[in-house]
Amino acid sequence: NAGVTQTPKFRVLKTGQSMTLLCAQDMNHEYMYWYRQDPGMGLRLIHYSVGEGTTAKGEVPDGYNVSRLKKQNFLLGLESAAPSQTSVYFCATTLGPYQPQHFGDGTRLSIL
Amino acid sequence: EDKVVQSPLSLVVHEGDTVTLNCSYEVTNFRSLLWYKQEKKAPTFLFMLTSSGIEKKSGRLSSILDKKELSSILNITATQTGDSAIYLCAVPIYNQGGKLIFGQGTELSVKP
Repeated sequence: NAGVTQTPKFRVLKTGQSMTLLCAQDMNHEYMYWYRQDPGMGLRLIHYSVGEGTTAKGEVPDGYNVSRLKKQNFLLGLESAAPSQTSVYFCATTLGPYQPQHFGDGTRLSIL
Repeated sequence: EDKVVQSPLSLVVHEGDTVTLNCSYEVTNFRSLLWYKQEKKAPTFLFMLTSSGIEKKSGRLSSILDKKELSSILNITATQTGDSAIYLCAVPIYNQGGKLIFGQGTELSVKP
């Protein structure tokens, strides 16, 4: 998906390990979001940012932290991974709240 | 609590059939509704609807918003196997950074 790049694409972790997911965008968008997608539950918002240096909690923030030190990057961290965090994680960006969001290709994360 | 519900959750049709996907919402301060198509990876944007009764069209896909009924439909005519995907309906919450509230999605399978 041009413009929104997520790394890594796939990762397997053991319970208790930590990791950081990176979302990078080259569209100069102010707003960035992290969602998780689980079977039968659609996408749910974890955290979001309305500009460099700002972050806010979404629907399911527990167990995750985020940072937006640079406008183009939005990092999602798992400090101590749990099996319940096994999911597909999507980053999305937009110019503003009245515009459609554009999604990255996702990161498939499995926690054993 | 803001909520978006889609129906049916899954649908199997044959090529050439016409399908109608439904989305209903209960959202305070509603302003718009979005449809996305998700194949193997990222959700891709289809339509954004803001006015009631106005049809948005793109080829064989069309969508209408009914603000009175708090709902929207997505129609696909002359379906093709390439239409097989998960179709997601979402509503932005503007006073919370434009975060999207998603329905569960409708999984459409088009058989040859």
